Amino acid sequence: AQSVTQLDSQVPVFEEAPVELRCNYSSSVSVYLFWYVQYPNQGLQLLLKYLSGSTLVKGINGFEAEFNKSQTSFHLRKPSVHISDTAEYFCAVSVVNRDDKIIFGKGTRLHILP
Amino acid sequence: DTEVTQTPKHLVMGMTNKKSLKCEQHMGHRAMYWYKQKAKKPPELMFVYSYEKLSINESVPSRFSPECPNSSLLNLHLHALQPEDSALYLCASSQARTAGGPGQLLVGEQFFGPGTRLTVL
Repeated sequence: AQSVTQLDSQVPVFEEAPVELRCNYSSSVSVYLFWYVQYPNQGLQLLLKYLSGSTLVKGINGFEAEFNKSQTSFHLRKPSVHISDTAEYFCAVSVVNRDDKIIFGKGTRLHILP
Repeated sequence: DTEVTQTPKHLVMGMTNKKSLKCEQHMGHRAMYWYKQKAKKPPELMFVYSYEKLSINESVPSRFSPECPNSSLLNLHLHALQPEDSALYLCASSQARTAGGPGQLLVGEQFFGPGTRLTVL
């Protein structure tokens, strides 16, 4: 079975500082990896996804993530955060050829400090 | 149009009521999903429809009854719910695998609606 671990439930960071949200996954088969963002009182929006190819993936709103197969990690980074980045961030995984089922991590709340 | 719409935005119902949640998309997606999300938790998959047929039921209690009347619409019928069913119900859609088998077609990104906030009294 697949699982996703987001190591931090909350991450406080000052505005304009860099941030990294950590995500590790467990799977015995090939997977696709995703980061979703959920702003308050809204649905989920895809930030970026890793399907294959280059391990550095760039997404929307200046976010990027790096797939590290040996460390089974897919950490999300942004060089300079803005107050509007305050949200819940979910790392997720799906199995190749069975990718209609997404398994979400527990989420990390990004709290931007002024 | 890359939008998934859900109605109503909020719903309050008693345990004996019957109500329905609605979801609509016009992206030509043939896979649609229902998720339940409790506060400060990740979404939990409930049902998946692929080509208007139920393909995944995550052992959801029968008081939740999904329906996919056509490729653009997804309903969730609610009956005799419990207070613990109070949550945000999210609908999503995506491309579907080629009909007839797993194939190599990636399902791809799921597009989520804004959700229906359900309170059961």
